[in-house]
Amino acid sequence: ETGVTQSPTHLIKTRGQQVTLRCSSQSGHNTVSWYQQALGQGPQFIFQYYREEENGRGNFPPRFSGLQFPNYSSELNVNALELDDSALYLCASSPDVQDYGYTFGSGTRLTVV
Amino acid sequence: AQRVTQPEKLLSVFKGAPVELKCNYSYSGSPELFWYVQYSRQRLQLLLRHISRESIKGFTADLNKGETSFHLKKPFAQEEDSAMYYCALRGYSSASKIIFGSGTRLSIRP
Repeated sequence: ETGVTQSPTHLIKTRGQQVTLRCSSQSGHNTVSWYQQALGQGPQFIFQYYREEENGRGNFPPRFSGLQFPNYSSELNVNALELDDSALYLCASSPDVQDYGYTFGSGTRLTVV
Repeated sequence: AQRVTQPEKLLSVFKGAPVELKCNYSYSGSPELFWYVQYSRQRLQLLLRHISRESIKGFTADLNKGETSFHLKKPFAQEEDSAMYYCALRGYSSASKIIFGSGTRLSIRP
């Protein structure tokens, strides 16, 4: 057990809807990053949170937003879902921003129809 | 542009043969380079990083700044090495963002 859990494991949504994905990190992991992995591609950086503040963002539109909570849990919210948002969403945590040893969750598979 | 390129989607070698997974990068500055691995039904995990210069599970990777490459090598492949391998980089000035390549699936034939 790596200590990073994501829920749900699978999700089907309709275009235009909103979705919230959840991640529970290990205690003491103040940094959480979210990645989108499309089929056949490597993970793409969405954003990172450190101590509940956004600490960096990739090339994703504002309809992708996040929250990090004091209890080491976090959320990824996506509004106005598009078909291209269908992907595996990964959460990764580490004790600090400079740490390279990210612990990844097993992901949430989102399908937009 | 910051980019990591893994030219091979699939690499198939026989058990005992040498393995080389290619990785080239584009980054204006001094990046940190990593290899991540994902075994079947397991999570993505860090295999090694260039700064540590260590050998993990018999794998090594040397950063060649002149050729902007960070190829992963192992002299004798084992069946348990079959997995998906991702090369990745992180800039020292933007420590939050890790850029991944598209991955190479390594298949070891018995």
